[in-house]
Amino acid sequence: AQTVTQSQPEMSVQEAETVTLSCTYDTSESDYYLFWYKQPPSRQMILVIRQEAYKQQNATENRFSVNFQKAAKSFSLKISDSQLGDAAMYFCAYRIQGGSEKLVFGKGTKLTVNP
Amino acid sequence: DAGVTQSPTHLIKTRGQQVTLRCSPKSGHDTVSWYQQALGQGPQFIFQYYEEEERQRGNFPDRFSGHQFPNYSSELNVNALLLGDSALYLCASSRRPIDNSPLHFGNGTRLTVT
Repeated sequence: AQTVTQSQPEMSVQEAETVTLSCTYDTSESDYYLFWYKQPPSRQMILVIRQEAYKQQNATENRFSVNFQKAAKSFSLKISDSQLGDAAMYFCAYRIQGGSEKLVFGKGTKLTVNP
Repeated sequence: DAGVTQSPTHLIKTRGQQVTLRCSPKSGHDTVSWYQQALGQGPQFIFQYYEEEERQRGNFPDRFSGHQFPNYSSELNVNALLLGDSALYLCASSRRPIDNSPLHFGNGTRLTVT
């Protein structure tokens, strides 16, 4: 069974600085997707970034980038120039490629941004 | 463009009762999935509906059932509620083929079972 592990229950960062959130996963599949979702107090899950496993190049979205290490099954999220609005729960998630809707989530990391 | 909408926002039920939660997908989306998020946990996949049929199911008992209507909206029903069913229930929608379609989530329904 696929599992996703986030080993940092809480992280904090100073505004304008950089923070990295860790995620590891376990799967026997070779084709899959990895995601980072943000969940603010409004409760809505918002997609931050997505990585296809077959792509060696790390995905980037503005201030957000990932370090995808397929062999190590590691998928960390780096947030640069942190802003107060980045404060939220961050969830790492996995989905097999090929029509399955099922996302497997980690337990999340609570990010606090200090002014 | 309305996103995924869920109703009600909050709900309080008594153990043993039945509950129905509702979800309208984002415009243009035809696939709906439901997730249960217990306090302090990540969401867990309950099931997925497409073309009015349950296509995939997570590790949830038969007390959890669903339905998808011709307009793609969906309901989640939970029978014989247990205290452990207290959670945030999230609905997500997408459009086939889903590999190229990002998943959009609603704001969830907070269910409290007393």
